[in-house]
Amino acid sequence: QVQLQESGPGLVKPSETLSLTCTVSGGSVSSGSYYWSWIRQPPGKGLEWIGYIFYSGSTNYNPSLKSRVTFSVDTSKNQFSLKLSSVTAADTAVYYCARVIMTSNLHYDPWGQGTLVTVSS
Amino acid sequence: QTVVTQEPSFSVSPGGTVTLTCGLSSGSVSSSNYPSWYQQTPGQAPRTLIYSTNTRSSGVPDRFSGSILGNKAALTITGAQADDESDYYCVLYIGSGFWVFGGGTKLTVL
Repeated sequence: QVQLQESGPGLVKPSETLSLTCTVSGGSVSSGSYYWSWIRQPPGKGLEWIGYIFYSGSTNYNPSLKSRVTFSVDTSKNQFSLKLSSVTAADTAVYYCARVIMTSNLHYDPWGQGTLVTVSS
Repeated sequence: QTVVTQEPSFSVSPGGTVTLTCGLSSGSVSSSNYPSWYQQTPGQAPRTLIYSTNTRSSGVPDRFSGSILGNKAALTITGAQADDESDYYCVLYIGSGFWVFGGGTKLTVL
């Protein structure tokens, strides 16, 4: 079955750029039936939708983060990535990647296990 | 800005029934919002319970059900068990490729 795994630095300095990668196994990021999403969860708080990317490179971002977020996809490595610039402590969160099933049954499944990113000097 | 509302917390007795809701600040929730529900225990990734309003994800016990109740999406747990004690999140599709998560409901079973 499809599995997703996030990877990247666990500590980022304020004002720098947070970079994470999600590796997809058991399936192809190039499938036209799915989008690929990033979601985050600050410690002790709820989930926040960051956005999604299609294998073609088309994207949609949360308007509150749009000015700082960039997604990319590497079909040769079966990966997709997130970059969040000018980070502050408010960007400290567990970052999840997830597959978006874009059929008549829109939903998120599966999810990666998540990776904690702390923004601190 | 669209806000998705959920009860911050709820309590249910073992064996009891509880209904959690998911509303929209801008109006009514319908099947066109493709409401889906996720269960999250501490330190774990969310697990899909219900999608497209009322479709149970594979392996989800049938004590979990989804519906539209009035102007909200609803998740009902019938015959609650101790291991149902979790955080529950809904997410709604609000159109034009945008999604919004609710703030989550912390369910206590006692």
